[in-house]
Amino acid sequence: TQLLEQSPQFLSIQEGENLTVYCNSSSVFSSLQWYRQEPGEGPVLLVTVVTGGEVKKLKRLTFQFGDARKDSSLHITAAQPGDTGLYLCGETSGSRLTFGEGTQLTVNP
Amino acid sequence: ETGVTQTPRHLVMGMTNKKSLKCEQHLGHNAMYWYKQSAKKPLELMFVYNFKEQTENNSVPSRFSPECPNSSHLFLHLHTLQPEDSALYLCASSHTGTRLGYTFGSGTRLTVV
Repeated sequence: TQLLEQSPQFLSIQEGENLTVYCNSSSVFSSLQWYRQEPGEGPVLLVTVVTGGEVKKLKRLTFQFGDARKDSSLHITAAQPGDTGLYLCGETSGSRLTFGEGTQLTVNP
Repeated sequence: ETGVTQTPRHLVMGMTNKKSLKCEQHLGHNAMYWYKQSAKKPLELMFVYNFKEQTENNSVPSRFSPECPNSSHLFLHLHTLQPEDSALYLCASSHTGTRLGYTFGSGTRLTVV
C-alpha cells in the first residue's frame, strides 16, 4: 500500500478566492478518486481519474491527474462557504481504497 | 441520505460493554466495508466483504468482530474496547472493485469511556 500525501493539511480562505490542493505519491496510481466529507457525514465521491494527463471538471472544481499518474490536483474557482469540508484523495487498487489524510478547507463568508 | 444507513449515529460505551454497529444498503452493491476515522489520521480500512464473504481483515484487533449476513447488511460487534478506539466508524458499499467509487454512510461516532 502506497502512502498518499495531501497538501496543505489545512486551508482557510475568503469567499471568492481560488485554491488548489494536492495529492502525491511516490508510486504510480492505478486510478485516483477525490471525495469531500462534510462535518457529521461520510465522504462523498466527486470524481475518478484514470488516465495520465486527464482533466475533469465539475462545476467550479477542476481535477487533474499528472502525466506520470503519481500526483493529482483539485482546483476550486471562486470558492463558496458551501465548499467547506475535508477533501480526500483515495488510491484504488483491486477492492481496496486507501486514503490520504485529507485537506481541511474552510471558506469564510 | 446516501443510500447507506448506519445506526446508531452516536454511541457511548464503557470498556466492559458489548455493543453492535449496524450498516444497511439497498443500492444493489455486493461489497461492503468498515473504515475507522480518527483525528489527525487517514481513514483506516478495517474489513472488506464481497458477496458476504470477508476478503480482507486489515490486522484489526479481535475486540472488533464483523458480521455480514447478506450483501445488504453489515455489522460491527464491539466488546472490551479501549479509549483509543473512540473514533468515527464509517460503513461503505460499492459494486465489486473500486472504479465506480464507494458510497459511505454518515458514520457512528463512538466514544469509549
